Order: sequence, then structure tokens, then C-alpha cells
Amino acid sequence: NAGVTQTPKFQVLKTGQSMTLQCAQDMNHEYMSWYRQDPGMGLRLIHYSVGAGITDQGEVPNGYNVSRSTTEDFPLRLLSAAPSQTSVYFCASSYDRQETQYFGPGTRLLVL
Amino acid sequence: GQNIDQPTEMTATEGAIVQINCTYQTSGFNGLFWYQQHAGEAPTFLSYNVLDGLEEKGRFSSFLSRSKGYSYLLLKELQMKDSASYLCAVRDYLGSGAGSYQLTFGKGTKLSVIP
Repeated sequence: NAGVTQTPKFQVLKTGQSMTLQCAQDMNHEYMSWYRQDPGMGLRLIHYSVGAGITDQGEVPNGYNVSRSTTEDFPLRLLSAAPSQTSVYFCASSYDRQETQYFGPGTRLLVL
Repeated sequence: GQNIDQPTEMTATEGAIVQINCTYQTSGFNGLFWYQQHAGEAPTFLSYNVLDGLEEKGRFSSFLSRSKGYSYLLLKELQMKDSASYLCAVRDYLGSGAGSYQLTFGKGTKLSVIP
């Protein structure tokens, strides 16, 4: 199993550009989530999904969209990037919401 | 909502024992997790407590007191590779429905192990 994979590893964007961060897991996990991690702030939940076709907002959803068309994939879309979205983004998955989460390697995003 | 508090930084000597504390305030406690995160890497699961008491896994142990809203992670026989951030995360039960559980992370404790 590859576990949780994320692409790209690094990305530089200009303000106003859009992009999609990819996340995939091959563990047949129902629950997937996106976090951002900023210095001194800890991990904060952006969006999550409890299964294909079901998504919901986390603590800091503004400026981000998600969809879950398959169990395996959970992409995060930045609609119009802002410097405040400079962060490290982690995708995580678990069998269900009660289980331990497994994290992907992260995407480091810089918005200029 | 939740309030999770853990020290920002700690330093300990190789071979020693260190205890990292985590206090929390929550209304629907449903478990506490500890994760380890090396610089530039993803968090990895260390331990899980849902009942009071001590859980031991090799050199690492985690303790929970639900009545006190308190947990600690104990690392024994410290090694240089234990230098990392340690994240305390609390799971809340919010009620019935698809989004019934919420996991909130503390800001992490950066542990430096020195020779």
C-alpha cells in the first residue's frame, strides 16, 4: 500500500491564481480530511469527508473547495490564492471518523 | 469548542526521561491522541487513550485523567531521533449525524534532545 499520497510536494503561486492539491489513499478509508499547519497555530481542519459524495466544512474553510467523487481521492481547490494561504497542507485518512488518522507527506504552498 | 494547552518547547538530555503534558477543556470527550512530527514531515500516530490510566508502548507511555482534563506523554531512554514536535489531539463527540466527531489538535511541543 502507498498509504496517503499528496501532490505536488511544493508549489509557488501568485496572488489570484487557482490550483488543486491532490490527495489519494489506497486503504479504502471512508474518512478523509484536509488540514493546514502554520507556525504557532497547530493543525487546523479545513474540510473533511465521511464518504464519497459527502463533504463538510472544518474550522477554516474559507477560500477552499473540496469534492469527493470516489473513495480514493479528495482534492482541495484554492479558488483565488492569497498570501494568507501560504502554509503546509496535510491530507489525512482513517477507516472512519473514530479511528486513528494517517497523514500524507504534505504540500508546501507559497503564495506571493 | 475546545481549548488544548501544551508547552511550546522542551529540552532534555539523551538517555533521560521527559514528560510532555497536555491539558484540555471539552464538552464531549471521546479520546485523546498523541502524534509525533519530525521537522518537515507528516505527523505519525503514537498513542491513543480513551479511558483513565496509562498506556505503554515500548519507550513511550501515555496517561489520561478524564476528570482532570489532563494527559501526558512519557518518553524514556531518550534518543537523538526523538527530537521532534509532539502533538496532543482531542476527539469530541458532537452528537448524531455524519459529522458527529471532531478532532482538534494542540499547537504541539517541540522537544530537543541534547547529548
